[in-house]
Amino acid sequence: DAGVIQSPRHEVTEMGQEVTLRCKPISGHNSLFWYRQTMMRGLELLIYFNNNVPIDDSGMPEDRFSAKMPNASFSTLKIQPSEPRDSAVYFCASSFGGRGNTIYFGEGSWLTVV
Amino acid sequence: GIQVEQSPPDLILQEGANSTLRCNFSDSVNNLQWFHQNPWGQLINLFYIPSGTKQNGRLSATTVATERYSLLYISSSQTTDSGVYFCAVASGGSNYKLTFGKGTLLTVNP
Repeated sequence: DAGVIQSPRHEVTEMGQEVTLRCKPISGHNSLFWYRQTMMRGLELLIYFNNNVPIDDSGMPEDRFSAKMPNASFSTLKIQPSEPRDSAVYFCASSFGGRGNTIYFGEGSWLTVV
Repeated sequence: GIQVEQSPPDLILQEGANSTLRCNFSDSVNNLQWFHQNPWGQLINLFYIPSGTKQNGRLSATTVATERYSLLYISSSQTTDSGVYFCAVASGGSNYKLTFGKGTLLTVNP
């Protein structure tokens, strides 16, 4: 079984540019999470989808961040415009059921904004 | 929000040694998971263990929910066990919302 698939694995972009990160969850999983990892703040939940519907976006830092899940097998996290402080590793994760179930992470998208 | 404290922050072992990592949390939880982040950054789920004891090969975990702690045991450590071990917890109706500890950095030397 394929795990959670993220792309791109690495991205370097200039401040002000739009960044789109992509995620394909594990087939059959109905919950999807976007996390961000930085040295200063550790791992933080940005947004949680259940059955393609955003349930909790309280962790999204500001209006520059948006996330969509148009279908059960695809999600995007967009940053527009990007800023140097957005540099981090962005992880997508999925689980079956969401609430209180084992969560599986993708390999992460390493974003550097210069 | 719920607080998660992991100890020790750093641990250096010789290959073959055993170790115990601890996770304390400030409130009752109904979701607790242990993860290993390898040196390449990949996060791997080790256990989903809100209570009780589980074993998987050389790894085992115990959560004593009433006393608000969990332990991760690594026996006969190998160099491939190196990395950061995270404990993450959640509670109540928002038990999808995992709060991660700062992790234990484990280095296993050959």
